[in-house]
Order: sequence, then C-alpha cells, then structure tokens
Amino acid sequence: AQSVAQPEDQVNVAEGNPLTVKCTYSVSGNPYLFWYVQYPNRGLQFLLKYITGDNLVKGSYGFEAEFNKSQTSFHLKKPSALVSDSALYFCAVRAAAQTYSSASKIIFGSGTRLSIRP
Amino acid sequence: DAGVTQSPTHLIKTRGQHVTLRCSPISGHKSVSWYQQVLGQGPQFIFQYYEKEERGRGNFPDRFSARQFPNYSSELNVNALLLGDSALYLCASSLVGGAGEQFFGPGTRLTVL
Repeated sequence: AQSVAQPEDQVNVAEGNPLTVKCTYSVSGNPYLFWYVQYPNRGLQFLLKYITGDNLVKGSYGFEAEFNKSQTSFHLKKPSALVSDSALYFCAVRAAAQTYSSASKIIFGSGTRLSIRP
Repeated sequence: DAGVTQSPTHLIKTRGQHVTLRCSPISGHKSVSWYQQVLGQGPQFIFQYYEKEERGRGNFPDRFSARQFPNYSSELNVNALLLGDSALYLCASSLVGGAGEQFFGPGTRLTVL
C-alpha cells in the first residue's frame, strides 16, 4: 500500500535561512512524487514533481526537492526562506505503474506547517 | 486560462440532508478527482473519473457518489449527511498520461450541523 509520512507537524525558520521540510514515502515500484502548498482557505497549489532522472527537482517560487531512493525520501528545500513562504505543505506519492485504466490515486501526507519569522 | 472551479464556496447543511458539489476542470483536462480534507489533515482520495467512468474509489461509504459529464465537469453527491462529513471538499483535474500531477480547485467548505 502507498503511504507518505511527514514527521514534522511544524517547521520554524528565520527569514533568509535555508529551510527543509521532510517527507518519506512507501510505494510498490517506482514512485511519482509531488509537493503541494496550501494557503489559508485555499486549495492546494502544485509546487514540483519527481518522475525520473535528476534527483534534484526544481519547482515554483524557488523551491526544490531531493529524491533519495535508498532512503525513500523526498525532502523539500529552499536556500533562503521568505515570510511569504509561511503555509501548509503537503508531500504526495503515486505509484508510477498505475495506468489511466485504473485510478491515478495520489496519497497525501498529513502536512507540515511552515512558519517563517521576520 | 481559468483554473479548476468549484461551487458553491461554502455550504451549511443539517444531518440527514443531501448535498451536491460541482467542479469544472481546466480546459483540456479529462480526468477529475475528488478529495475530502478534514481540518488538520491531508486530503483523502474519494473518487477519480475519466471519460465519464469511475476509475478509482477511496475508502468512503456508499453515501458518497459522483459522476462526470460529457464536458468533463463533475458532481459529488453525499446522502444522509453526518456531522463527520464536515470538511473541505477538493476537486482536482489532470491530463491523461504523464505523471498525472493534479491541479486543485479552491474547494467547497461543507459544514454539517
């Protein structure tokens, strides 16, 4: 069964410092991995994805994520945090073997609240 | 281009009532998925529809049903509402093929009293 773990409910970082939001996953076969961000009273916004290839994936708003197959992790990173990055972040996984004759079900983690202090 | 749209934005119902939520996908997207997000938790998969057929179903009771129309818009129906159905209901659309990343609408906030 697919699962995603985000071990930190909250991450606090000072503005200008680097940030990391952790994610580990479990899936049969190769994974497709995603990061989404959610602002208050809003839907989820797509940040980036890993399908295959380079383990370092670059996404929107200066975020990047590093895929580590041996550790089954996909941590979200940003070199210099902004106050406007404060939001709820979700990691998600989908099994690459799924086809469109079956569900492309995406499993989400429980979320990590990122708080950037000025 | 317009993103995924959902209606209504907010809804208040009482226990035992029925509710219908609506979703219009991004133009060109043929797959629509529905998620339930309870406060403080990640979205939980309810349904996926592609080409008007149900392609997947999450662990939700039969009170939950959905359908997709020829224009790829979708409705989520919930019968016999319970207090525990109070949540943000998210619709997401995606292209067919590729990684299947999904693009979400703003959601419908359902409150059951």
